[in-house]
Amino acid sequence: GAVVSQHPSRVICKSGTSVKIECRSLDFQATTMFWYRQFPKQSLMLMATSNEGSKATYEQGVEKDKFLINHASLTLSTLTVTSAHPEDSSFYICSARRVHEQYFGPGTRLTVT
Amino acid sequence: AQTVTQSQPEMSVQEAETVTLSCTYDTSESDYYLFWYKQPPSRQMILVIRQEAYKQQNATENRFSVNFQKAAKSFSLKISDSQLGDAAMYFCAYRSAGAGGTSYGKLTFGQGTILTVHP
Repeated sequence: GAVVSQHPSRVICKSGTSVKIECRSLDFQATTMFWYRQFPKQSLMLMATSNEGSKATYEQGVEKDKFLINHASLTLSTLTVTSAHPEDSSFYICSARRVHEQYFGPGTRLTVT
Repeated sequence: AQTVTQSQPEMSVQEAETVTLSCTYDTSESDYYLFWYKQPPSRQMILVIRQEAYKQQNATENRFSVNFQKAAKSFSLKISDSQLGDAAMYFCAYRSAGAGGTSYGKLTFGQGTILTVHP
């Protein structure tokens, strides 16, 4: 149990367009999900905490209007990168909290051309 | 704010040998959790081991064990009988045990250590 999926696994988009990444907890309900960004050979950087039914809590330095987070149900959180630019190219990972543990999705590789 | 430091960017070990990965952390809290995660080339984060700060006994999971020194704020991971499949990036992480709040369960990660296993 405790499986988290992400879709898509890879996405290429053109500069200026928006792209949506979905994070789903498949076999449990998650009131809290987390979104991370990771550059090659670097650590995970927490972008925001997504709480079902309320506004996301963004970490310092993360642009709220650029990285839109919606946690509309207990099993789904979405991250929308708006007006994407090449510097937004990265690996995005979500996790879902179940009791005391976080379970991670497989990640989404975003490339902005 | 809590910080987690992994001072070894890269480590290597021979297959079947033992290797220890270091982690130190800084916190003013008395109750918390510490984790080691493994991230193989697939980039899927995998929980290796978890330690509750209130427990004096060091956690073990098969070939993986930790040396938790609460006073020194040190949390090292020992991998025994290393296998080729252990090659990955390893992250040490901290989580407060405090309940509630919009960021409940938030993890603070160290910089990571890339482990290479030589056959």
